[in-house]
Parts: sequence; C-alpha cells; structure tokens
Amino acid sequence: DAGVTQSPTHLIKTRGQQVTLRCSPISGHKSVSWYQQVLGQGPQFIFQYYEKEERGRGNFPDRFSARQFPNYSSELNVNALLLGDSALYLCASSPRFSGERTDTQYFGPGTRLTVL
Amino acid sequence: QQQVKQSPQSLIVQKGGIPIINCAYENTAFDYFPWYQQFPGKGPALLIAIRPDVSEKKEGRFTISFNKSAKQFSLHIMDSQPGDSATYFCAASMDGGFKTIFGAGTRLFVKA
Repeated sequence: DAGVTQSPTHLIKTRGQQVTLRCSPISGHKSVSWYQQVLGQGPQFIFQYYEKEERGRGNFPDRFSARQFPNYSSELNVNALLLGDSALYLCASSPRFSGERTDTQYFGPGTRLTVL
Repeated sequence: QQQVKQSPQSLIVQKGGIPIINCAYENTAFDYFPWYQQFPGKGPALLIAIRPDVSEKKEGRFTISFNKSAKQFSLHIMDSQPGDSATYFCAASMDGGFKTIFGAGTRLFVKA
C-alpha cells in the first residue's frame, strides 16, 4: 500500500503570495492532520480533519486554512505569505478519530516551502 | 501546560552504546505517547508508542520507560548502530490523537 503522499515536494513563493499544499492519506484512513516544521524544531500542529470536518486547530493565524474532500484527501492553504512561513509542511493520516482511544499518525515526506 | 520538554538537544554515542532521550509533560489529559524517528528530508516515522497505564514497552532495540507520577518518559536504544543516527522526537496526544504535541527533538549521532 502507498503511504501518505504530498505535493508538491518543493515550492518557492514570494511574500504576500498564496500557496496550496495537497495531501493524500493512506487508503482507508479518514483523519488527516497538518503540521509545520521549522528547521531544527519539532512539528507544530496546525489542523486536524476527520470526515471532512475540522476537529482541531493549533495556534496559527487565520491566514492558514484547510479542507478535506470526500475522498479524504486534504489541502492546506496559506494566504499572504510571510518569510516566517518558510518550513516543511507535513501531512499525517490516521485510521480513525475516536474520543475513546488514540491513534497512530503516519507522516508523509512533507512539502518544503521557501518564502522569499 | 501543552508543552512537551525533550532533552538532550543532541547526543553522540559509540556503536553499541545505549543512548537515552528524556521527555516531560504537564497536561495529565495526554493519553498517548509516541516516539518518532526522522531522517533528513523525510517525514517522521513512528518508532514505538506507549499509553500511561503501562510502565515499560519494548519493541526490538527500542524501549520506552514511562513514569506517570513524575510525568516523564524516556526512549532507550539498545546496541545502537550508525544507521540509528537521526533526529528523535517524543510526542503526546489526547482524544484520538487530537493535537499531537511534539518535543523539540534530539539529534543522535552514533559513531562507528
């Protein structure tokens, strides 16, 4: 089975532009989460989606938005890019979201975003 | 209260040594504690995970020790190999993996 896939692999944008990153979860996984990883730091939680609904949001400005499609793939959008948005953006999928137990997350290779 | 504090920041051991990485958390609502391994240019990959009702878990050369009262947990890598050289992250989550919080990472280098 294919793992989590993300596109594009690398992206270069200038300040003020908008960017859309894409993620396809592992087949059968219904939950997708997005993380931002700045060089030398741990991943920071941005969003979690399950069954096309937002289930969690981290401490990121409204310039960051996301959505999940009926096939469970997801997009992360970032508007009005700042230099500080340069990072590796990671997508993770998990089999299900349940309040009764926790689930393992499987990460994709990430999209490296550079803002000039 | 949402932080996960990880130490050391970097670690160098000889081949065959047992590196130990420590993490501490504050929020007692966390109920799932995974460890991830990340190589340069790759996404994190799950190594091993533990729940707070267990004090120790072993999978291959990797062992997690968990101290619920101290709100601390650690990763031990037995018989470390140069191929184990990577960045290791501890993490904590609750309610079905909601809002997983990662530590800052430990860069491990295993000398041949």
